[in-house]
Amino acid sequence: GNSVTQMEGPVTLSEEAFLTINCTYTATGYPSLFWYVQYPGEGLQLLLKATKADDKGSNKGFEATYRKETTSFHLEKGSVQVSDSAVYFCALSGGGADGLTFGKGTHLIIQP
Amino acid sequence: DTGVSQDPRHKITKRGQNVTFRCDPISEHNRLYWYRQTLGQGPEFLTYFQNEAQLEKSRLLSDRFSAERPKGSFSTLEIQRTEQGDSAMYLCASKNVGGPGDTQYFGPGTRLTVL
Repeated sequence: GNSVTQMEGPVTLSEEAFLTINCTYTATGYPSLFWYVQYPGEGLQLLLKATKADDKGSNKGFEATYRKETTSFHLEKGSVQVSDSAVYFCALSGGGADGLTFGKGTHLIIQP
Repeated sequence: DTGVSQDPRHKITKRGQNVTFRCDPISEHNRLYWYRQTLGQGPEFLTYFQNEAQLEKSRLLSDRFSAERPKGSFSTLEIQRTEQGDSAMYLCASKNVGGPGDTQYFGPGTRLTVL
């Protein structure tokens, strides 16, 4: 079946640091890949997505590239802000199932 | 576009009681999903509807769980004879199949506490 593995948290960084949150997946076929973000007290919001190999999704300074050869979709940001503190979820759809398969989430804490 | 709404936002119940949650999707969305999220975990897919047809229900956690979408608009998720292990956040999402993108939009969730 489908699965998503993402790095354990919490991840604590200083403001303006470079961010990478690793995500790898297992799926049949050609899934679409997503990063969702959950800010404190709020619901899940789509951050970015990619629907085919080598696509790059980007939003709010965050980027992730769909790498089929390494089955990865790592999230990066060049300079994080305190307001980026949230829980980040990597997810996939397709590969034989319509519902999203999520990773466990990575809690990101940015210190001023 | 008012987003996906869920009601109630919080529900506290005693073990053995039945509970029902409601989800109103984005109005033009034809597909509706239910997920469960426990503390420290990502959402877990339960079931989904295409209009009023329930296309997947094998992921429902037990036969105590059931869902309906009778007119293809709002949906309800019912849990019968609740157990303490049912305590979780229940999320609803919707998307428009055939429209641009392949994106599910999530509601704020219903937090269930079973005492």
